[in-house]
This record gives sequence, structure tokens and C-alpha cells, in this order.
Amino acid sequence: DAGITQSPRHKVTETGTPVTLRCHQTENHRYMYWYRQDPGHGLRLIHYSYGVKDTDKGEVSDGYSVSRSKTEDFLLTLESATSSQTSVYFCAISESSGNEQYFGPGTRLTVT
Amino acid sequence: AQSVSQHNHHVILSEAASLELGCNYSYGGTVNLFWYVQYPGQHLQLLLKYFSGDPLVKGIKGFEAEFIKSKFSFNLRKPSVQWSDTAEYFCAVNLYNQAGTALIFGKGTTLSVSS
Repeated sequence: DAGITQSPRHKVTETGTPVTLRCHQTENHRYMYWYRQDPGHGLRLIHYSYGVKDTDKGEVSDGYSVSRSKTEDFLLTLESATSSQTSVYFCAISESSGNEQYFGPGTRLTVT
Repeated sequence: AQSVSQHNHHVILSEAASLELGCNYSYGGTVNLFWYVQYPGQHLQLLLKYFSGDPLVKGIKGFEAEFIKSKFSFNLRKPSVQWSDTAEYFCAVNLYNQAGTALIFGKGTTLSVSS
């Protein structure tokens, strides 16, 4: 398995609170991605990064922001969590655009 | 916009039955194609991939997939499934050589194998 960790693995938070999820890799891959997985929707891209400080929006970016200050870390922030953001969040990495992506273990977030 | 369609939402098979899961994508250019598997409670793992060359690709655990360019399809097959193949399967497409693009996933097919 690729060296990808996500923290926390589980989190319950209240509506309106800020939440930050962390993805850490030890593979030195350039590309990092945040997806959310919801029943009936598969995986949908939130944001991705193609280098330190280089990020771009994905399909479902509203309500989320990201930061990448180091190659190994990619943070996903929910500025003010809503119940619609209850989901499982997966981080992925890839060596180059177009290559296969390797996924982290996921974070289960519940917003009450 | 590019999209990926997986025809079957839920497939139920008995052990030793043959499996074929359909996947079609909508993009006229060159693509890289993937199948991922997600076992219950786990993260996605790569089953196999196609970039170029022989359109019949073999992956892990006895799975294979065939790329048919004229049909924009990349169907997953296994001759004889096992109970341990119970999982969710995702087809994904990446636009070839497009800087900064990410995988486009189908909605997934849940496979239930009874022993």
C-alpha cells in the first residue's frame, strides 16, 4: 500500500463549526486529491493539487477550501460544516497526471 | 462534460459464476482507464489499468478488462467469482496527458457473492 495517512479517521462535529482534515503522504508524489464518497454518487472530486501552493477546484468544491504548504501534506477545510457535508472523505495521490491514483484509508465525517 | 456510466448498480452472483461489469465513458479523445475495488469498510484499491497496447488487460485476483475503443467501453470480467470478491467496483477514466485532470468515476457497482 502507498504511504498515505488521513487524520482524523472519524469525526463528529456540529453544524457551523470549522473542520480540517489532513492527508499525509510519504511517496513524494506531485499530485494530491480530495474526494468525497456518498451512496449513489460514487467518488466526486472536491479539490486537487498539482504542486506546493498549486491547487484547483473539482466538481463539488463549494464549501471547501484546501492548502498545500508542503509536498507531503494536503489539508481540506470545511469553514462552516453543514449536514450535507456528512460523508466519507478520501485523499489520493499520483505521481503524474493521468497515472493511477492511490487512495488513503478515508475519514468518516458526521455533521450533526 | 466527460462522464462514466456503470450499467449495473447491484449484481448478485453465486460462487463460481462468471462476472462481467459494464463501463462506458463519454470522451472522444485518448483516455487512460482504470478499475478500482473497495472491500467493505476499506479504501479503494487498483484492480487494473489500461493506458495503451493490448486492449485486454489482466489485473490482480484473476480480474481482466477489455477496452473496446469503438464502443467507448472498458468492461471488467472474471471467469469464476469467489465469496471474497464481494465489494464495490468503480470504473474510472482519466483524460490522457491532460495536465491537472483527475479521475472521473462511475457511480459504482456493488457485487454480492453468495457461498
